[in-house]
Amino acid sequence: DGGITQSPKYLFRKEGQNVTLSCEQNLNHDAMYWYRQDPGQGLRLIYYSQIVNDFQKGDIAEGYSVSREKKESFPLTVTSAQKNPTAFYLCASSIVFGQGRTEAFFGQGTRLTVV
Amino acid sequence: RKEVEQDPGPFNVPEGATVAFNCTYSNSASQSFFWYRQDCRKEPKLLMSVYSSGNEDGRFTAQLNRASQYISLLIRDSKLSDSATYLCVVNMGSGGYNKLIFGAGTRLAVHP
Repeated sequence: DGGITQSPKYLFRKEGQNVTLSCEQNLNHDAMYWYRQDPGQGLRLIYYSQIVNDFQKGDIAEGYSVSREKKESFPLTVTSAQKNPTAFYLCASSIVFGQGRTEAFFGQGTRLTVV
Repeated sequence: RKEVEQDPGPFNVPEGATVAFNCTYSNSASQSFFWYRQDCRKEPKLLMSVYSSGNEDGRFTAQLNRASQYISLLIRDSKLSDSATYLCVVNMGSGGYNKLIFGAGTRLAVHP
């Protein structure tokens, strides 16, 4: 079955450590995205990528890094520079139909807790 | 001003009611718009796409007003299962890029 897989579902990290969240898709989508969601709030864009080896900062990129070495994979590293990393992280991918038309699908998310 | 703004609610309505949510966006060049539904502690799922003036799917109708830069979602004959948070999404990308920006969401609670 095609889809987006995020792992792990729950992640605990000690303060000061870097951690990498995995996102893999087999939908052959060009675009991939990372969002952060805090309790009771909407999704905020961290990074997005349209093609391999290219990515752009979103609205809250500070303290995060990404890579896009393969079309299928868009891992997110939460670095120790991120002041408040505890959140729900969602990865999405989308196909582009032209004229800005697109449809995004989400993974099931990773809940990161800093202890 | 936020790029995408929604009334946070919550909207508490009885079963069978009609409810409407509004969403405003800042980028007049945006071409595509979406409504997503998110259940508690789950990932968002696409409800409707809006590319022209509107779209209808059963009890759900989405309308786009480009001049006023707002999108609306109308839910008719509300069901208990419609209780969720509804997220307005605007594609603010340009130059071949897609940049999907989410509103903070509007919470709907349908009661018996």
